[in-house]
Amino acid sequence: RKEVEQDPGPFNVPEGATVAFNCTYSNSASQSFFWYRQDCRKEPKLLMSVYSSGNEDGRFTAQLNRASQYISLLIRDSKLSDSATYLCVGLRMDSSYKLIFGSGTRLLVRP
Amino acid sequence: GAVVSQHPSWVICKSGTSVKIECRSLDFQATTMFWYRQFPKQSLMLMATSNEGSKATYEQGVEKDKFLINHASLTLSTLTVTSAHPEDSSFYICSARGTRTVSNEKLFFGSGTQLSVL
Repeated sequence: RKEVEQDPGPFNVPEGATVAFNCTYSNSASQSFFWYRQDCRKEPKLLMSVYSSGNEDGRFTAQLNRASQYISLLIRDSKLSDSATYLCVGLRMDSSYKLIFGSGTRLLVRP
Repeated sequence: GAVVSQHPSWVICKSGTSVKIECRSLDFQATTMFWYRQFPKQSLMLMATSNEGSKATYEQGVEKDKFLINHASLTLSTLTVTSAHPEDSSFYICSARGTRTVSNEKLFFGSGTQLSVL
C-alpha cells in the first residue's frame, strides 16, 4: 500500500464547477500535509498547507482529518487555468526530513 | 523568493553515457538537497538526500554507484547518472532546504530535467 494515496482521475469538469479531491495516508508519522500543483513536466508548486482546522485560500479549501487519515481539497468556481495535476504530500520529520508525494489527481477544466 | 536553478532542462543521450544534472540555490544556502525521479503518471519518488559536505543518503532500491550525488558547497548539488540506459529515462528534479526553512516546511524546487536515453 502506498503511503499517500490519491484517485488518479482525471476529473473532467466544466468551467465554474466545484470539484473535490481526496487523499488518504497510512503513516501516522507524517506530521504536516500539503497540496501541490504540478503542470506537465514542470516542478511541483506549493498550493497550500493543510490543517485540522481547515484552511481556505480564495477558491481553494483544504481539510485534514487525522482520525481518518484523510485529506481533502475543494476547488470552487473552477477556471481553465486550474487544469493540472494536484499532488497530496505528507511531511515526515521523525528520523529524517522527507516529503512523501501521492501520485496526483489530474484535473481538466473545459470551457 | 528563494530560487533553485536546475540545468539542463532536458537532455537526450546515448545508452552507456553519463549525464550530469546541476542544481544551484541562487539566493540562499541549501543545507539539504533532495533528488527525486518521476516516471510518467507516477508520483515523485525520493532518490536520495544530501547534506552539504556529507555523503548522500540513498533510498532503498536506488543504486548509489549509478546515481552519483555531490553536494560539495551550500549552493550547488549535482546528480550524475552513470552509464545511462533507456530505463533511466525519467524526469529528475531537485529540491532544496535552507537554513531559514528550519521552522518552515517549505522546500524550493528546481525546474526539473527530462532525461531521454536512446
